[in-house]
Amino acid sequence: EVQLVESGGGLVQPGGSLRLSCAASGFTFSSYAMTWVRQAPGKGLEWVSVISYSGGSTFYADSVKGRFTISRDNSKNTLYLQMNSLRAEDTAVYYCAKLGRRQTIPDAFDIWGQGTMVTVSS
Amino acid sequence: EIVLTQSPGTLSLSPGERATLSCRASQTISNNYLAWYQQKPGQAPRLLIYGASSRATGIPDRFSGSGSGTDFTLTISRLEPEDFAVYYCQQYGSSYTFGQGIKLEIK
Repeated sequence: EVQLVESGGGLVQPGGSLRLSCAASGFTFSSYAMTWVRQAPGKGLEWVSVISYSGGSTFYADSVKGRFTISRDNSKNTLYLQMNSLRAEDTAVYYCAKLGRRQTIPDAFDIWGQGTMVTVSS
Repeated sequence: EIVLTQSPGTLSLSPGERATLSCRASQTISNNYLAWYQQKPGQAPRLLIYGASSRATGIPDRFSGSGSGTDFTLTISRLEPEDFAVYYCQQYGSSYTFGQGIKLEIK
């Protein structure tokens, strides 16, 4: 079964840091680009970042550029999101997702994890 | 940035009826890279349609997508009780953006 499981969320003070992880199973992780999408409480979906299958290319939303870093460890089948200089407006459920076609950016997001909540508050 | 505007904001229909959901882009979406997702409360989004009109794996054929350029439509031919949810369109032709969502509720 194809599965993505996020972890690492929690409560952090403004200006703090947090690293999210997304453990993948059931597919050849190293062959697919991966992405992070967030959803603030009661709001819509916002794309955050995407990384190529090799990790050689990364892209970010303007709202997180310079503060967040996406990375992956293909030997561990794990995707990461390092979040620094966190703000109240970063409060959201963070989902990792897999892109649909092998070695392809851009593409739709065909498999999603269940999400992990990040709350930025003093 | 391509802005996606979905309409209506809320759609109230009964099971068995036909649903038509609209997504309009502020500029042409290259390669018709337009997807539709369904999200139920407390759950992650689920991919329904990609490439404007291709159904994702396991999606029932009552869901169909159409359109090109800047105007796209998701149609649910005969609503089932489990179809009442929020629907988002997304473009992936130029970076990634989502529409604001359409709530499909039971009338």
